[in-house]
Amino acid sequence: AQSVAQPEDQVNVAEGNPLTVKCTYSVSGNPYLFWYVQYPNRGLQFLLKYITGDNLVKGSYGFEAEFNKSQTSFHLKKPSALVSDSALYFCAEGDFNKFYFGSGTKLNVKP
Amino acid sequence: NAGVTQTPKFRILKIGQSMTLQCTQDMNHNYMYWYRQDPGMGLKLIYYSVGAGITDKGEVPNGYNVSRSTTEDFPLRLELAAPSQTSVYFCASSYSPGGGGNTIYFGEGSWLTVV
Repeated sequence: AQSVAQPEDQVNVAEGNPLTVKCTYSVSGNPYLFWYVQYPNRGLQFLLKYITGDNLVKGSYGFEAEFNKSQTSFHLKKPSALVSDSALYFCAEGDFNKFYFGSGTKLNVKP
Repeated sequence: NAGVTQTPKFRILKIGQSMTLQCTQDMNHNYMYWYRQDPGMGLKLIYYSVGAGITDKGEVPNGYNVSRSTTEDFPLRLELAAPSQTSVYFCASSYSPGGGGNTIYFGEGSWLTVV
């Protein structure tokens, strides 16, 4: 069965530093991969997705993600973190009829 | 733009009571989903629907029922509420299935406490 893993429960970075939030997937073939962000007491908001093509995907709020087929990873990145980026981030994979979500990674950006 | 709308936002239920969480979307999406999110946990799929009149179980369907009489609406029914159903519930929709690469859109969530 497909699964998405986010190995870090929490990531702490200082404002202005680059950030990476990790995600690995398990499906073989060509996966459809997504990143979502959840601010406190809100629903999940779409950040970006990988369907096919360029391995570096650019999304909202300056985020980007790198698809690496050999490592089955889809890590979320941002060159310079902002305090306002502090939130819960979910990686997801699209399957035939469903979406599978990772357990989430809490990003803390400190001033 | 309304997107996916859920009601109520907050609700406290007593053990054994029943209630319905309402969900409606105005994007003409075929696919709709109900997820629950427990504190500090990820999302677990309760039920999903691929179109009006068609529903199917997700990972954690026990204690819940759904119906899909129209494309727009996908209510979630809790029968005989139990403390284990205390959670945040998210309704979501997408134009095509997860394997189609289309984005899934979420409602703002319904906070349910069973006491």
